[in-house]
Amino acid sequence: GEDVEQSLFLSVREGDSSVINCTYTDSSSTYLYWYKQEPGAGLQLLTYIFSNMDMKQDQRLTVLLNKKDKHLSLRIADTQTGDSAIYFCAETLSGYSTLTFGKGTMLLVSP
Amino acid sequence: KAGVTQTPRYLIKTRGQQVTLSCSPISGHRSVSWYQQTPGQGLQFLFEYFSETQRNKGNFPGRFSGRQFSNSRSEMNVSTLELGDSALYLCASSLEDSPLHFGNGTRLTVT
Repeated sequence: GEDVEQSLFLSVREGDSSVINCTYTDSSSTYLYWYKQEPGAGLQLLTYIFSNMDMKQDQRLTVLLNKKDKHLSLRIADTQTGDSAIYFCAETLSGYSTLTFGKGTMLLVSP
Repeated sequence: KAGVTQTPRYLIKTRGQQVTLSCSPISGHRSVSWYQQTPGQGLQFLFEYFSETQRNKGNFPGRFSGRQFSNSRSEMNVSTLELGDSALYLCASSLEDSPLHFGNGTRLTVT
């Protein structure tokens, strides 16, 4: 069955790098996503990666995928206080719009 | 381009009543999905509609239903409300086989 796991909390200082980790169990997952949720808001799509890729970089964000270990990570460079939010990892199969989400990692950035 | 719009933002209902939530997808998006977010269960998939047809359904009781109109707008209905239905209901839209874009959600409180 499908299951996505994330650590619940991460605290960093402004200017440091943040790394949020995620593991998934469905080896047939095709797309893996990172969403950000700020208080009182919906989910903002940050980035996504296809399962045939190892890495994707988008400005301050770097996604690494280890398909053998079913491990996905999101690195945020030069973390800012505005990055404080809950980050969700999610997986889906090709051709489907059904996402399986992790419980979310709360990132707290202190000045 | 306008994002996914959900109305209303907040709703308070009494146990036993029914409620209808509305979602307007991004222009051109034909797939609309609904998710329930609660502190205990996290984000759970409710159902997905594509071209007015329910294409996939999550593990929720029959009290939860939805529909999609010819302009891709969608509604979800919850009948005989229970206290446990209190949640943030998120709507997402997408192009075929593309990432989901979420609205800001409707926060439903059942008293």
